[in-house]
Amino acid sequence: DTTVKQNPRYKLARVGKPVNLICSQTMNHDTMYWYQKKPNQAPKLLLFYYDKILNREADTFEKFQSSRPNNSFCSLYIGSAGLEYSAMYLCASSQMGGHQDTQYFGPGTRLLVL
Amino acid sequence: QQKVQQSPESLTVSEGAMASLNCTFSDGTSDNFRWYRQHSGKGLEVLVSIFSDGEKEEGRFTAHLNRASLHVSLHIREPQPSDSAVYLCAMSMTPGTGSNRLTFGKGTKFSLIP
Repeated sequence: DTTVKQNPRYKLARVGKPVNLICSQTMNHDTMYWYQKKPNQAPKLLLFYYDKILNREADTFEKFQSSRPNNSFCSLYIGSAGLEYSAMYLCASSQMGGHQDTQYFGPGTRLLVL
Repeated sequence: QQKVQQSPESLTVSEGAMASLNCTFSDGTSDNFRWYRQHSGKGLEVLVSIFSDGEKEEGRFTAHLNRASLHVSLHIREPQPSDSAVYLCAMSMTPGTGSNRLTFGKGTKFSLIP
């Protein structure tokens, strides 16, 4: 079973309010990722957890937080949503090691900020 | 940082015709290449993974990689209506070399004319 789940599937948020997105996987993968995808743009990596170590991309470092309370769950947190955060957020997981490091994706959460 | 150009943006073929999708990339640092498919409302589904020059077949899907030409392609043989989706190429470096991020193309919207 290569299932990655995301909640909620759709999220409406007000400008300036916090947003928390949830991802879970049951494959016991050591690495979990968050990507942002806007229309007509390629998915862009925001951050990933390898085990308990968080790696955030330099250009989005200040904008997103994340937590991984256990191996199966990972959240993406926006402290104060702006209009530019409207996008699809994709969670993925993989098992690090070798070139078989396939990332398996969830269905995404569509966030709309008004 | 690796840059990826995917073409065409959209592709419509008749039933029975071969479909070809292409990605060119900016440098030879990646050594893991994957093609993903995303049906509307669903997560990204990995179709083919290829790690060395040449071709890799998975059912009706064949990936061709030519790293010297900075080019990877996907061919869909005998496309079915269920193949109508967005296709994305993605590439990364072997884990352990300091980078585990997938760099994506923008995607090709593929449709089949019955």
